[in-house]
Amino acid sequence: GEDVEQSLFLSVREGDSSVINCTYTDSSSTYLYWYKQEPGAGLQLLTYIFSNMDMKQDQRLTVLLNKKDKHLSLRIADTQTGDSAIYFCAESIPYDYKLSFGAGTTVTVRA
Amino acid sequence: DTAVSQTPKYLVTQMGNDKSIKCEQNLGHDTMYWYKQDSKKFLKIMFSYNNKELIINETVPNRFSPKSPDKAHLNLHINSLELGDSAVYFCASSHRLAGVYNEQFFGPGTRLTVL
Repeated sequence: GEDVEQSLFLSVREGDSSVINCTYTDSSSTYLYWYKQEPGAGLQLLTYIFSNMDMKQDQRLTVLLNKKDKHLSLRIADTQTGDSAIYFCAESIPYDYKLSFGAGTTVTVRA
Repeated sequence: DTAVSQTPKYLVTQMGNDKSIKCEQNLGHDTMYWYKQDSKKFLKIMFSYNNKELIINETVPNRFSPKSPDKAHLNLHINSLELGDSAVYFCASSHRLAGVYNEQFFGPGTRLTVL
């Protein structure tokens, strides 16, 4: 997680949009990912973006990538209680088999 | 069900004991991983095997020994357990795509508590 940083907590009201931010340091990253971890469960891939893209939209999810600033964000529209979880951003780097994960952002959705 | 499975889900043991965690995937992947998630939810890679060959070996005490009998299995044996080993251990698998798209599929985790 030293190379990928995230804010640790986010509280959002049900129905509002959530924005989770992530910064990474390796400019050679090829893919960037968002994983979701629900309580007591493993991580599940939510979405990903290739490094030559600026934006990707998938239903309620919008991923924005600013390569110049090495900044990645995940926006969740119309946040629901089921969106309460820990969200991890991760990067994959050429010739490296591992993913580097951020520390995770705990999102709490309040009624 | 196609998935990554781990056993046991919970493991409570005394300091100094030796224990194993097993992982199996039926996704046809050729690469498997062990991660450790600490109490602050920080996720750290420990090991990775590709086609039964060790390809990632991060700075982990040599009390931890992975073993891959075949492509579908990756077990983790821990000797002389210490209090600091208490964590959730996740197994994951993927297709070997070095630095390219590397979606990893995670197991449900094994919560290890050392008393």
